[in-house]
Amino acid sequence: AQKITQTQPGMFVQEKEAVTLDCTYDTSDPSYGLFWYKQPSSGEMIFLIYQGSYDQQNATEGRYSLNFQKARKSANLVISASQLGDSAMYFCAMRGLTTDSWGKLQFGAGTQVVVTP
Amino acid sequence: ETGVTQTPRHLVMGMTNKKSLKCEQHLGHNAMYWYKQSAKKPLELMFVYSLEERVENNSVPSRFSPECPNSSHLFLHLHTLQPEDSALYLCASSTGTGIRDEQYFGPGTRLTVT
Repeated sequence: AQKITQTQPGMFVQEKEAVTLDCTYDTSDPSYGLFWYKQPSSGEMIFLIYQGSYDQQNATEGRYSLNFQKARKSANLVISASQLGDSAMYFCAMRGLTTDSWGKLQFGAGTQVVVTP
Repeated sequence: ETGVTQTPRHLVMGMTNKKSLKCEQHLGHNAMYWYKQSAKKPLELMFVYSLEERVENNSVPSRFSPECPNSSHLFLHLHTLQPEDSALYLCASSTGTGIRDEQYFGPGTRLTVT
């Protein structure tokens, strides 16, 4: 069984500041992938960043970076230099990398981020 | 611009109606997915198709009937829905291969059942 926990329902962040969104997970799969998605008010889920459990280094994609601490089972998303367009709902998701887990992306409850001028 | 489109974007239907949601992907992917997003609940995976074959059905009520005629199109047929079925229905696609296999989502259909 897999479980994703996002404990921050909402956050305010000032423009140009960095923000960290928390994500903890639990899984029995020996290998797994962690994903972060952004959902603006328009509804579309936008893929941001991926971290494999086997990756030695933390993933980075532009202003997004993932603080992956495997022993703590956490995969926090860091958004640097926040922009007004970053205001959205952010979801952490996980998928096991076994055949049985194929396609079964499990999502957390999400964190609403509001960027203020 | 997203490679996954969904129509209609908004739908209001009565409990006795029959309607269909359509999803089309232009990414050359082999896997497609239906998700339900209700208020205050995490996204729920409903159906998974790989190469037009259903590989996962997460105990979804039979009033939801998926159809995948080819790898580019996915439908969700709706009939005799309940008010609690009101939600945002999201379609996604992925290559279906590789370790990462990230899913790309459409904009969703906002469904209201009256």
